[in-house]
Amino acid sequence: DAKTTQPNSMESNEEEPVHLPCNHSTISGTDYIHWYRQLPSQGPEYVIHGLTSNVNNRMASLAIAEDRKSSTLILHRATLRDAAVYYCILRVSAGTSYGKLTFGQGTILTVHP
Amino acid sequence: GAGVSQSPSNKVTEKGKDVELRCDPISGHTALYWYRQSLGQGLEFLIYFQGNSAPDKSGLPSDRFSAERTGGSVSTLTIQRTQQEDSAVYLCASSILGGGSRTDTQYFGPGTRLTVL
Repeated sequence: DAKTTQPNSMESNEEEPVHLPCNHSTISGTDYIHWYRQLPSQGPEYVIHGLTSNVNNRMASLAIAEDRKSSTLILHRATLRDAAVYYCILRVSAGTSYGKLTFGQGTILTVHP
Repeated sequence: GAGVSQSPSNKVTEKGKDVELRCDPISGHTALYWYRQSLGQGLEFLIYFQGNSAPDKSGLPSDRFSAERTGGSVSTLTIQRTQQEDSAVYLCASSILGGGSRTDTQYFGPGTRLTVL
């Protein structure tokens, strides 16, 4: 399975932008890039996903490198409620995955007031 | 609308006892997934349901673990003869499409924290 690599932890100050990187050098042409996050004592929640083009939604932006071997989740103005573990996940083609999510260790984001 | 719910929220049991964990997915979601999260193993997939059938059981760690889904809705995860290494948070997720979709969103419940003494 295609693998992702993320930094173990990152820190930010409140109301500053945060850029969370993810490397996925073995990504295939049909794999989607998804981001989920897990707040303390909660189940994971969907953040954003994309294939080739950059994506924006109310929660975040996703910047995808032209060669698709890396991507960056951008939180434009971090708040204390954004402190969570952020997971970068590749959704691979059907056949063996059945849509299951394969979680790595993720990036622990700490936001300072 | 109502999200994914799980019960109980916490379960403490003695080694060797059987436990049942329940998941109520979002109404209309055809796909249902069970995951577990433990300190040593992170968040790992257990089993996937499409409707009432389970085409992917590859993540179940042993034959002590089983799951069923009835009426295309509620699912129960059963652990027989529990062991201390079964202690973890068991998470359920549902999605509209499931299957080979690479774009549908999985919605997670709050989890059941299982402690085996």
